[in-house]
Amino acid sequence: DAGITQSPRYKITETGRQVTLMCHQTWSHSYMFWYRQDLGHGLRLIYYSAAADITDKGEVPDGYVVSRSKTENFPLTLESATRSQTSVYFCASGGPNTGELFFGEGSRLTVL
Amino acid sequence: AQKITQTQPGMFVQEKEAVTLDCTYDTSDQSYGLFWYKQPSSGEMIFLIYQGSYDEQNATEGRYSLNFQKARKSANLVISASQLGDSAMYFCAMRGFNDMRFGAGTRLTVKP
Repeated sequence: DAGITQSPRYKITETGRQVTLMCHQTWSHSYMFWYRQDLGHGLRLIYYSAAADITDKGEVPDGYVVSRSKTENFPLTLESATRSQTSVYFCASGGPNTGELFFGEGSRLTVL
Repeated sequence: AQKITQTQPGMFVQEKEAVTLDCTYDTSDQSYGLFWYKQPSSGEMIFLIYQGSYDEQNATEGRYSLNFQKARKSANLVISASQLGDSAMYFCAMRGFNDMRFGAGTRLTVKP
């Protein structure tokens, strides 16, 4: 089915471990985004990508790494997870210019 | 950098009444899009309404309308005839040339 999917939906890990959150979209949207949602902060942009092999930092990029080798995939990696990275992570995709973004269902990450 | 401000952390409205959720923004982009998303307790992000910066008429989608005042840089959401199912978090967002930023959100509670 067409859409945007995130995996895993729920993840518990320990401080210092590497974690990768996956995001896959079937619309061939050029733009993809990663946000984190914490109480009182709304959604904060971590990284975004305008096309394959083009990525850029958002508001809160520290501690995160992204890649985009294919248009449809945009994985987010926490190289050494910290408790402050406990959050709900949303992936989104959209076309160029100023149009709507389409969101995945979110991935809830807990770092112990 | 773009900034979105939602000054109402929480709002209450009586069922069947109208309610306005405030949003102001700041950007140096000439072309941008303004959005409202709804996030129910289940967590998904639901697109409600879109206003382009060059649109002269206020956007409407069913019971939702966006009161766009460009000179004041405001993009308030008006929900008419509130329903119990409207109880949720509401996020204002702006998409500029590249990225999309969100406000901190307003939690709306509809009272029966």
